[in-house]
Amino acid sequence: NAGVTQTPKFRVLKTGQSMTLLCAQDMNHEYMYWYRQDPGMGLRLIHYSVGEGTTAKGEVPDGYNVSRLKKQNFLLGLESAAPSQTSVYFCASMRALQETQYFGPGTRLLVL
Amino acid sequence: SQKIEQNSEALNIQEGKTATLTCNYTNYSPAYLQWYRQDPGRGPVFLLLIRENEKEKRKERLKVTFDTTLKQSLFHITASQPADSATYLCALDMFTGRRALTFGSGTRLQVQP
Repeated sequence: NAGVTQTPKFRVLKTGQSMTLLCAQDMNHEYMYWYRQDPGMGLRLIHYSVGEGTTAKGEVPDGYNVSRLKKQNFLLGLESAAPSQTSVYFCASMRALQETQYFGPGTRLLVL
Repeated sequence: SQKIEQNSEALNIQEGKTATLTCNYTNYSPAYLQWYRQDPGRGPVFLLLIRENEKEKRKERLKVTFDTTLKQSLFHITASQPADSATYLCALDMFTGRRALTFGSGTRLQVQP
């Protein structure tokens, strides 16, 4: 039981490049989330999903897109990376009707 | 707008003492409040949840209080150990359809041996 895993662990991009971050969970959780964490700021919600095939915007969705084609996977895409997207990205999942979120180890992204 | 405040300054205490961390929030009426621990380079890990109708919750050396009138939660670690050194995050769930958490920026705790 791996819990929540994230791929890759670290990535360097040039401005304008695109990439996809993968989050996978093996706990059969309905809810999945993408957060970003910046120094001195709390985790901020980018996008979330309440079930397979559904996604919705969080607090800071601009510049990101997501997809949840399979229940266990939640993908975060950056179409044209900007230096402001340099951050640590965390994925989390949660079972419906429960309150505890389970976080992945994070992806550190540097956009030059 | 909704806001969660945690002391941004690191808290340094001696081993064996009780650490007390504060979480204040504004413009919220949360159904419950959660505390997470985050170690450097890792994702947050859930510690405790307290509901709006609960005043206090305990788990081993951890204790959380929740004062909905003051809009404040206190997080206590008794008999602190160097291994307790980490950043502690307060998080609120407004029980909206998205069931997503709003996090404070966290307080770093350093326990000196």
